Amino acid sequence: EIVLTQSPGTLSLSPGERVTLSCRASQSVSSNYLAWYQQKPGQAPRLLIYGASSRATGIPDRFSGSGSGTDFTLTITRLEPEDFAVYFCHHYGSSPPHTFGGGTKVEIK
Amino acid sequence: EVQLVESGGGLVQPGGSLRLSCAASGFTFSNYFMTWVRQAPGKGLEWVAHINQVGSKSYYVDSVKGRFTFSRDNAKNSLYLQMNSLRAEDTAIYYCARENWYLDYWGQGTLVTVSS
Repeated sequence: EIVLTQSPGTLSLSPGERVTLSCRASQSVSSNYLAWYQQKPGQAPRLLIYGASSRATGIPDRFSGSGSGTDFTLTITRLEPEDFAVYFCHHYGSSPPHTFGGGTKVEIK
Repeated sequence: EVQLVESGGGLVQPGGSLRLSCAASGFTFSNYFMTWVRQAPGKGLEWVAHINQVGSKSYYVDSVKGRFTFSRDNAKNSLYLQMNSLRAEDTAIYYCARENWYLDYWGQGTLVTVSS
């Protein structure tokens, strides 16, 4: 089972700032089968990034994903008020279980 | 428009059973693996199980193996999660999601509370 570790646990930032979230896997994620989701309070998660770097339909280009192997990053170039949320990474494709990271909360400073 | 609507959640005593359903629409249901993900109150996401397109193979996280059974009815575009021997630690919102390798569409979830 692949364990995904996200850091930091919480980020306190202001609108307009750049944010970088980290997701580290306990073993290599095959074919970069790594996704990122955004979740706001009371809502279901929403797919942002798949294949480590491909944006899902309708996701603004201020969101970008990068990385390979065991180290992956989600970057938001300029935080908008609606971006304050919790972000989860997730590996898929290879043998299940398809685990999630513990999440990073991006909160308003 | 893809829609996934879960139902069947509620309050159940430890050791009890519950059956969740997920109704799918807006896509060719029989073409996709489907997944259940749960989220305990105030916690992160936990992948629970997935099932193949025809319902012949399913895989479960260790914590629910032998207690939960995932099935589907492609004629009704529906999923089912039979949960037996429920424990307090199964308390969570349960989401069904379409698996397009990644999870591209999610339902709004149904809350399961296991408590005496």
